[in-house]
Amino acid sequence: DQQVKQNSPSLSVQEGRISILNCDYTNSMFDYFLWYKKYPAEGPTFLISISSIKDKNEDGRFTVFLNKSAKHLSLHIVPSQPGDSAVYFCAARPYNTDKLIFGTGTRLQVFP
Amino acid sequence: DAGVIQSPRHEVTEMGQEVTLRCKPISGHDYLFWYRQTMMRGLELLIYFNNNVPIDDSGMPEDRFSAKMPNASFSTLKIQPSEPRDSAVYFCASSLIVPLGQFFGPGTRLTVL
Repeated sequence: DQQVKQNSPSLSVQEGRISILNCDYTNSMFDYFLWYKKYPAEGPTFLISISSIKDKNEDGRFTVFLNKSAKHLSLHIVPSQPGDSAVYFCAARPYNTDKLIFGTGTRLQVFP
Repeated sequence: DAGVIQSPRHEVTEMGQEVTLRCKPISGHDYLFWYRQTMMRGLELLIYFNNNVPIDDSGMPEDRFSAKMPNASFSTLKIQPSEPRDSAVYFCASSLIVPLGQFFGPGTRLTVL
C-alpha cells in the first residue's frame, strides 16, 4: 500500500501562472517532507523540504505547505517557467529512520 | 566532485541472465541507497547502507535481488535470475546528512526480454 500518494499523474500550466502539485500521506509518523524534481534521463534532484513542526517553507519561487490535520502536502511554483517542466516527486521520512518514502510522481508541463 | 556514478546506463538482457548494476557514491558520504522507479509504484527504496553496512533491505522484492557494499566507494545490486518484470530504472543515491541531502545518480535503465 502506498503511504505517500500523488493522485495527479500530470499537470499542464501556462508560463507565468501558478503550478500547484499535491501529495497526500496516510501515516502520521513522518517528521520531514521533501520535494524532488526529475528531468528525463537524469536522477531526481532535491528541491525543497519542510519539517513536520512547520506549515510553510519558502525558497524563491517554490513554497511548500503542510496541512497535518488533512495529511496533505502541496508545492506551489510561482511564476511557472518552461524550465520547470519535469516530474515532481514528494517524499516523506518516517520518524527515527534514515530512509525516504516516495510518491509516484506528477509530470508538470509549463507551456508558453 | 563528479557526483554519484552509475554503470551501465542502459542494460538489455534476456530472462534468466544475471544482471549487475554498479554505483560509486560521492566521496565522504556515509549513506548509500538503491531505488527502483516504475510507472506504477514510482520510486521504491530497495535497500540502504550506512558506513557500508546494510541497514534496511525490506524493500528488496525477493531473493533474486542482492546488494553489497564492499567499501565506501563502491556498491553493486545484483539480480539473478532476471525476469521481464524487473525492467525498470534503477537509481543509486548517496548522502551525508539524512534525509535532506540525497544525491541521485543518473540511473540504469534495465530491460529484461
